[in-house]
Amino acid sequence: DAGVTQSPTHLIKTRGQQVTLRCSPKSGHDTVSWYQQALGQGPQFIFQYYEEEERQRGNFPDRFSGHQFPNYSSELNVNALWLGDSALYLCASSLAGVEDTQYFGPGTRLTVL
Amino acid sequence: QKEVEQNSGPLSVPEGAIASLNCTYSDRGSQSFFWYRQYSGKSPELIMFIYSNGDKEDGRFTAQLNKASQYVSLLIRDSQPSDSATYLCAGLDRGSTLGRLYFGRGTQLTVWP
Repeated sequence: DAGVTQSPTHLIKTRGQQVTLRCSPKSGHDTVSWYQQALGQGPQFIFQYYEEEERQRGNFPDRFSGHQFPNYSSELNVNALWLGDSALYLCASSLAGVEDTQYFGPGTRLTVL
Repeated sequence: QKEVEQNSGPLSVPEGAIASLNCTYSDRGSQSFFWYRQYSGKSPELIMFIYSNGDKEDGRFTAQLNKASQYVSLLIRDSQPSDSATYLCAGLDRGSTLGRLYFGRGTQLTVWP
């Protein structure tokens, strides 16, 4: 049973650049949620995708955008990167209407220089 | 703004002892709570979830929920050095049929041999 996968594992970017992170949900899951975890903090909810639409959004600027594909995989895009975007980006998958539990992928460590 | 408060620790216990981790939450409407374990540099790993008042046991772990006091706890019996990690408490904010997690900052646990 394939768990949640994310790519890349690590990424280094410079200020002003754009980045795309990818996530494939656990087998059988249809909902993908993205979280940002800064060092020493708990994860913060960015947004959530279900049926290829953004369903909920946390307190993040429009520089953060996403997409979900028909196979339930998802992308997180961040434009105009700044130093404060350096964090661990986590993808979590779940099954809408059946199970509340969210399972996390290994994360992508983004460093902005 | 839904919040979870956790004592950041560090909490230090000897091997074989009981470790007690606690959190309080602000949203009386939240019904579901989760404990995740996070090793340094890794992503959160689900340990337990609890929906009902009272205790829920799974092996060496017991989760407790008191909705009247808005209090959640995790007990780890027979603590092992491999339990040394940060423990994240999360509530589920169910805005619609989909839920999003809101986390505390985590409690760092060290189990010494």
